[in-house]
This record gives sequence, C-alpha cells and structure tokens, in this order.
Amino acid sequence: AQSVAQPEDQVNVAEGNPLTVKCTYSVSGNPYLFWYVQYPNRGLQFLLKYITGDNLVKGSYGFEAEFNKSQTSFHLKKPSALVSDSALYFCAGILTGGGNKLTFGTGTQLKVEL
Amino acid sequence: DGGITQSPKYLFRKEGQNVTLSCEQNLNHDAMYWYRQDPGQGLRLIYYSQIVNDFQKGDIAEGYSVSREKKESFPLTVTSAQKNPTAFYLCASSIAGTINIQYFGAGTRLSVL
Repeated sequence: AQSVAQPEDQVNVAEGNPLTVKCTYSVSGNPYLFWYVQYPNRGLQFLLKYITGDNLVKGSYGFEAEFNKSQTSFHLKKPSALVSDSALYFCAGILTGGGNKLTFGTGTQLKVEL
Repeated sequence: DGGITQSPKYLFRKEGQNVTLSCEQNLNHDAMYWYRQDPGQGLRLIYYSQIVNDFQKGDIAEGYSVSREKKESFPLTVTSAQKNPTAFYLCASSIAGTINIQYFGAGTRLSVL
C-alpha cells in the first residue's frame, strides 16, 4: 500500500545544532512530497515540496529536504536549529492516482532546547 | 488580507446534535478540503471539492456532510452519526489540478459536552 511514514514521534535537539526530521515513502510511481509545520492550535504552514529535479530542495525559514530515491526518503534538515523551530512537522505525499489529495505522515514533534 | 478563515475556533456539541463548521477563503482557489486531526494520527481527509457544486468523499467521510454552493465557502457538518467527533478540524484550499500547495486555516477544535 502507498504511504508516508515518519518513524520518530519526537526529536530533541540543542539550539545551534543541526536537525533532521525523518520521512520515508512508499509510492508506485513518481513521488510528490511536501513538508508542513504546525504551531500549537494553528493550521499547517507549507515549508517545501519535491516534484522533480534537484534532490536537495530549499524551503522557508532555512529548512531544506533531501530526496533520496534509493532509500525512499525525504528527510527535513536545518543546519542550525532555533528554539522557535519547536513545532509539529508533517511529511505528506501525493500518491499515485490521488489527484491533489495529500496523504500525511503521523507527525514529528520537534523540541529545540537552549 | 488573503487567506482561509475557519469559525468558530472552539465548538461544543451535545449528544444527538448536528454542528456546522465554517470555512471561507478569499484566495480564489477552486479546490477545498476538510481534514480531521487526532493526536498521533496525522491528518485524515474527510471531504474535498475540486469545483463548485461538486465534492467527493475522503478517507473518513462517515458521519460528516458538506456543501459547495459558492467558490469561497465549504462548510462541514458533523452529524449525530459521527460517534467520536472530538478532534481538531482543518480546512484547506488550493488551485485546481495536481501537485499544488494546500493552504490551511487556523482550525476549529470540536469537543463533546
């Protein structure tokens, strides 16, 4: 079955350190992948997307994501974490035959500590 | 100020009651979506609409109904048939077609009295 998975419920990182939030996918065709961020009691904000082309995608607020076809992964990264990056992060994908319907991972809570 | 407005922010439902959640957008988007968010489960699609007067069921449509009489509005009714309605409900919109960014409202938190 086609799916998007986030293997970590929570990631803790110290401010100033690099951060990685993991996402893996399983789709039968070309994957279209997205990252969104959600702050408490708010809607989701778009960070970046991968459609085709360069495997390293740059997005908002200094985030980037690396598409790896052989590992079927689309990990979110940032070179230097900020306390204000603490939020819930969702990976999502448009699955084959899904039109523009997004299938979301279960979310990863990122906590950046001083 | 462009965007998606959801109201109310908090809503309480009594047993056997239908309640309606409002979603309005001024982005001139053709497509609109309703999601339900539960802790640890991500977002699940309830209904979506690609064009006025047309909508399709998502993955968890049972106990919900929608209408799309105007391009800018996509209200969601949580009916008494939905036995576990307590959740955070998010509305989104996008331009029509595939692979388009969805923009989200701030959400409505529904609880059962």
